[in-house]
Amino acid sequence: SAVISQKPSRDICQRGTSLTIQCQVDSQVTMMFWYRQQPGQSLTLIATANQGSEATYESGFVIDKFPISRPNLTFSTLTVSNMSPEDSSIYLCSVVSGLAGGNEQFFGPGTRLTVL
Amino acid sequence: QKEVEQNSGPLSVPEGAIASLNCTYSDRVSQSFFWYRQYSGKSPELIMSIYSNGDKEDGRFTAQLNKASQYVSLLIRDSQPSDSATYLCAVKTNDYKLSFGAGTTVTVRA
Repeated sequence: SAVISQKPSRDICQRGTSLTIQCQVDSQVTMMFWYRQQPGQSLTLIATANQGSEATYESGFVIDKFPISRPNLTFSTLTVSNMSPEDSSIYLCSVVSGLAGGNEQFFGPGTRLTVL
Repeated sequence: QKEVEQNSGPLSVPEGAIASLNCTYSDRVSQSFFWYRQYSGKSPELIMSIYSNGDKEDGRFTAQLNKASQYVSLLIRDSQPSDSATYLCAVKTNDYKLSFGAGTTVTVRA
């Protein structure tokens, strides 16, 4: 499976500010996703990061709040904008390995965000 | 109705016993099913995938799928303290998106 890294691993931010999270994969992948895991909860899909086009957002998530970039097949960023304490979560990127597509999805180590 | 439901936990089993985890899903067109293990403070780790009805075994783990009943389960045999974690059931439909259950926390008592 692909090796996935995320930066930063954790951060503490003030409300009203923005944080950009990076996701780097060691090989080209077609599908990349961003998830949120709120404290004590399961994973919720935020959006699919599409290479060369706008991300596809799930219900309840909007581009103004969570802008996503995907400039190539190995890298994506998620920005959490105008943060509030409710945005305190773990943010995870995931990939489906390879370019041909597949079934199995693998997760990065996550970014633990605390908003004060 | 939630898309993916897991049996409520936490589940406590003695070391060496079998831990049984259950998951039901609502979308009949679902084709792919996964179990992830998540240790506290870590990201989910894929431990099993299953696509056809029946059993699939990998070491001490056995996944069981029954599409007619829309049911998938995970058995952990000879449970070890290192198996103590939250287990997430995930279901994929026709696209690549995964829907996750709430998770079942398993504690293996030494």
